[in-house]
Amino acid sequence: DAMVIQNPRYQVTQFGKPVTLSCSQTLNHNVMYWYQQKSSQAPKLLFHYYDKDFNNEADTPDNFQSRRPNTSFCFLDIRSPGLGDAAMYLCATSRGPNEKLFFGSGTQLSVL
Amino acid sequence: DQQVKQNSPSLSVQEGRISILNCDYTNSMFDYFLWYKKYPAEGPTFLISISSIKDKNEDGRFTVFLNKSAKHLSLHIVPSQPGDSAVYFCAASEGTGNQFYFGTGTSLTVIP
Repeated sequence: DAMVIQNPRYQVTQFGKPVTLSCSQTLNHNVMYWYQQKSSQAPKLLFHYYDKDFNNEADTPDNFQSRRPNTSFCFLDIRSPGLGDAAMYLCATSRGPNEKLFFGSGTQLSVL
Repeated sequence: DQQVKQNSPSLSVQEGRISILNCDYTNSMFDYFLWYKKYPAEGPTFLISISSIKDKNEDGRFTVFLNKSAKHLSLHIVPSQPGDSAVYFCAASEGTGNQFYFGTGTSLTVIP
């Protein structure tokens, strides 16, 4: 089945230790998104790629970066995780701008 | 500031009855609205959508109503089933943008 896959499901890192979360898709969608969701809060868009064009949200901290080496894969890099970065990170795709999103299962990040 | 609000964190309904989940928004430029359903340990899955040219969209047991003047939409589930127990998120976007703004979700419990 075509889908959005996130690895790992759970990630534990230490304060200040770089961490990378990965996302892959078999939908061949043009747009890939990274959302951060903290407990009882709304998912918050960090950035997205429309093909190779990177779009960073204005309030996304510099600590967060992303790479999309090809259509299928997208990575979220957190350079120096802080305790406040502990959250669920959701990857999503859409065929085009302003079209419905398809989500992965998410990666729950813990920072010790 | 939260542009999409779901003011009821939780809702309990008896099996077979109607579930009504509400969502309010503040941005009058929003013209496309989505509802997502999320089970524990899974990513959100698309449920139903509506564009601003309509005031109602129906898909089986699920109906979404849009009241543009009140900036309000609602999701009706009839009849409710125990398998509908999940967290429901509404999301909204402007036609020209890439970002969907999400509400904080409503946890629905359908009691057998």
